[in-house]
Amino acid sequence: AQSVTQLGSHVSVSEGALVLLRCNYSSSVPPYLFWYVQYPNQGLQLLLKYTTGATLVKGINGFEAEFKKSETSFHLTKPSAHMSDAAEYFCAARLSGSARQLTFGSGTQLTVLP
Amino acid sequence: SAVISQKPSRDICQRGTSLTIQCQVDSQVTMMFWYRQQPGQSLTLIATANQGSEATYESGFVIDKFPISRPNLTFSTLTVSNMSPEDSSIYLCSVERGVENYGYTFGSGTRLTVV
Repeated sequence: AQSVTQLGSHVSVSEGALVLLRCNYSSSVPPYLFWYVQYPNQGLQLLLKYTTGATLVKGINGFEAEFKKSETSFHLTKPSAHMSDAAEYFCAARLSGSARQLTFGSGTQLTVLP
Repeated sequence: SAVISQKPSRDICQRGTSLTIQCQVDSQVTMMFWYRQQPGQSLTLIATANQGSEATYESGFVIDKFPISRPNLTFSTLTVSNMSPEDSSIYLCSVERGVENYGYTFGSGTRLTVV
């Protein structure tokens, strides 16, 4: 079955440390991939997306992600964590051409320690 | 770029009653998607609504519990019927945007509490 998997439901990093949030997908065709952030009691905010072209995509707030087809991955990174990055992060994918809805991963709660 | 107006933003309902959530899009779209986000969980697709045909429901969701209307290309409603406390969630609608600035637009969500 086609799916999106986020490894690690909770990730803690120190302020200034590297942030790495993992996302893998299972799809018969290369998907369109998205990362969203959700702050407490707020809606979804798009961080970045990959559809075609350059596999390293840069987003808002210093985040970037790299699409690796061979690894079926789309991990989210940020070189230096800030306290304001603490939030829930969702990886999502449009997994196949006929089913146009987004499929979401289970989410990763990022905690940034002072 | 599509803009969605979703109403109500929140509601507290008695068990056994029904609530209808509305989404209005400022442009015509073929498909509208309805999601549920249970407390502390991710988003799960309830159904896909196409204009002029019955909605397509995902496994675990049924029309009797979540009837959907899609009377035209800019509007859809989701009803949560015969509610129980387990239905307490955030419900969101979403549309796929076109080629320019491709992506998905989400409504602001309806925070439902069933007491």
